Amino acid sequence: KNQVEQSPQSLIILEGKNCTLQCNYTVSPFSNLRWYKQDTGRGPVSLTIMTFSENTKSNGRYTATLDADTKQSSLHITASQLSDSASYICVVSLRGGYNKLIFGAGTRLAVHP
Amino acid sequence: DTEVTQTPKHLVMGMTNKKSLKCEQHMGHRAMYWYKQKAKKPPELMFVYSYEKLSINESVPSRFSPECPNSSLLNLHLHALQPEDSALYLCASSPGGIQDTEAFFGQGTRLTVV
Repeated sequence: KNQVEQSPQSLIILEGKNCTLQCNYTVSPFSNLRWYKQDTGRGPVSLTIMTFSENTKSNGRYTATLDADTKQSSLHITASQLSDSASYICVVSLRGGYNKLIFGAGTRLAVHP
Repeated sequence: DTEVTQTPKHLVMGMTNKKSLKCEQHMGHRAMYWYKQKAKKPPELMFVYSYEKLSINESVPSRFSPECPNSSLLNLHLHALQPEDSALYLCASSPGGIQDTEAFFGQGTRLTVV
């Protein structure tokens, strides 16, 4: 069964601190993996996309890693800001057929001053 | 224009009402989608349109009726909904059609059924 599992479910950190969110997947055939940021009551916004051959990709203070062998990905947030408070969703795409996105349940991050 | 725009942002409707959700994109994307998202849950795919034709219906109840009048517009007609249909309804589009794994999401319509 195609699944995406994220940990932790929720996380509280202080402003300025770093954090790492985890994503494990059992999706086949794998096409790519994206991290989305979703503010409460808003649509998801793509942060990074990782294909099978990519190990690391950065977007500002966000750095995503992918280990295709162990089927694990992480999203590292550096020097957190209050505006980083949101849900972070790991989404894996299936190769072939239509745009089948397998969503993780998300990690709810709260950054406190 | 690089956005997917959804209207209204909020909607409250009774169980006997008929209402419609609207989604627009002017990026020339060839595939458009409706998702339903309950609180603290990931989005669930409802419908997929490819080149203005319905490609996939994920066994959605008939009280939800999608419509794609043209390549830029996607509607979701609602009739006789139940309170459990209250959710955030997200529209998304993909540049390269249904096989494109990139999805741009709108901000959603928060629907409350009373």
